[in-house]
Amino acid sequence: QQQVKQSPQSLIVQKGGISIINCAYENTAFDYFPWYQQFPGKGPALLIAIRPDVSEKKEGRFTISFNKSAKQFSLHIMDSQPGDSATYFCAASRRGFKTIFGAGTRLFVKA
Amino acid sequence: DGGITQSPKYLFRKEGQNVTLSCEQNLNHDAMYWYRQDPGQGLRLIYYSQIVNDFQKGDIAEGYSVSREKKESFPLTVTSAQKNPTAFYLCASSRPGTMVPKRDTDTQYFGPGTRLTVL
Repeated sequence: QQQVKQSPQSLIVQKGGISIINCAYENTAFDYFPWYQQFPGKGPALLIAIRPDVSEKKEGRFTISFNKSAKQFSLHIMDSQPGDSATYFCAASRRGFKTIFGAGTRLFVKA
Repeated sequence: DGGITQSPKYLFRKEGQNVTLSCEQNLNHDAMYWYRQDPGQGLRLIYYSQIVNDFQKGDIAEGYSVSREKKESFPLTVTSAQKNPTAFYLCASSRPGTMVPKRDTDTQYFGPGTRLTVL
């Protein structure tokens, strides 16, 4: 199976709060799990990515948690800011094969 | 500056017309992709190319055509056979090469997009 299921579809968080977006995959052959951030009218841009040999990766306020046995991974945005308001896509891929994207989560951070 | 450029930013098409969307990259990437994004929707793959002079259909290729005559260029033609072409079109590239550190090979770099509207 090639699907990547992403939830929630939309998310509203207060400024300073934690935003959590979840993704689940089915194909155990995937070996690269990026998150992309997209602002309205712009192309997505890589935010942070992880490979399955580690369970967590942190870059600034952004953390990916990876659970290989459950085939799930999540994005945590700490101290969420209004500037983080965007659509976030998780994805899964392996070299030589097309990337599979989740359906996206629209995040709105209230000031 | 290295990057991906798409033109035009906005495009209007009359029904029955073919239009071509431009995508150019100077990242020396081998692979290029076209995606379609509808309002509130995810990314759907139209076509992709892993090497010059070769391309593969994605999930929604009907009504679209592409060419890959040069490494840096991957134009997309939206034909009159595409029944509902109004959407935001995104081009991307990546570099699944053997000489690049593995951590860098799978990241896709996106252009700014072209918004196509059928009148």
